[in-house]
Amino acid sequence: QVTLKESGPVLVKPTETLTLTCTVSGFSLSNARMGVSWIRQPPGKALEWLAHIFSNDEKSYSTSLKSRLTISKDTSKSQVVLTMTNMDPVDTATYYCARIPPYDSSRPYYYYGMDVWGQGTTVTVSS
Amino acid sequence: DIQMTQSPSSLSASVGDRVTITCRASQSISSYLNWYQQKPGKAPKLLIYAASSLQSGVPSRFSGSGSGTDFTLTISSLQPEDFATYYCQQSYSTLRITFGQGTRLEIK
Repeated sequence: QVTLKESGPVLVKPTETLTLTCTVSGFSLSNARMGVSWIRQPPGKALEWLAHIFSNDEKSYSTSLKSRLTISKDTSKSQVVLTMTNMDPVDTATYYCARIPPYDSSRPYYYYGMDVWGQGTTVTVSS
Repeated sequence: DIQMTQSPSSLSASVGDRVTITCRASQSISSYLNWYQQKPGKAPKLLIYAASSLQSGVPSRFSGSGSGTDFTLTISSLQPEDFATYYCQQSYSTLRITFGQGTRLEIK
């Protein structure tokens, strides 16, 4: 059974750095052409894609948040880590990680969508 | 970045109704469009990928269509468990994924 689980602080202060961990099971982060995305959702608002990382270590970031985000993976621990610097109250949200199933080499990475999501972790930014 | 616009933003319908939600892309995205369902307090769930392919385990009353810039999600006969928020997501731009703003489907 494929599962993903997010973990991290519930509360962070403005200007601090947020570190979130996504621990996966049921698949390996080294599986060819497989990836993990991070997505967030402020209270009552829409989903916002943040970043992804693939098994070949290819990474990409949201245009608006690129300067603040870093994504990495530890295959041996089955973990994907997202850091976001200079946190602000507007970053208060539920943060999700999701699996990107293996893509065909002739198609876009997200052709098959994000097929399994974690339960999400809620982060509040407040002093 | 490719902008995704859903309509309507909210919709009231009754059990048994046929419902259609629209998603429009700011540029052509071929058939690279996915649909998700989200219930309150829960993570999104993939319903349809590549515009019209039903994800495994999703009821056949859900269907998707479209290509280019205009797409639709149709629920043929609404069930009580279908009342949720629906999001489209373009997968054309490999490096910059974007979602629509969501359509909230409520019970009339």
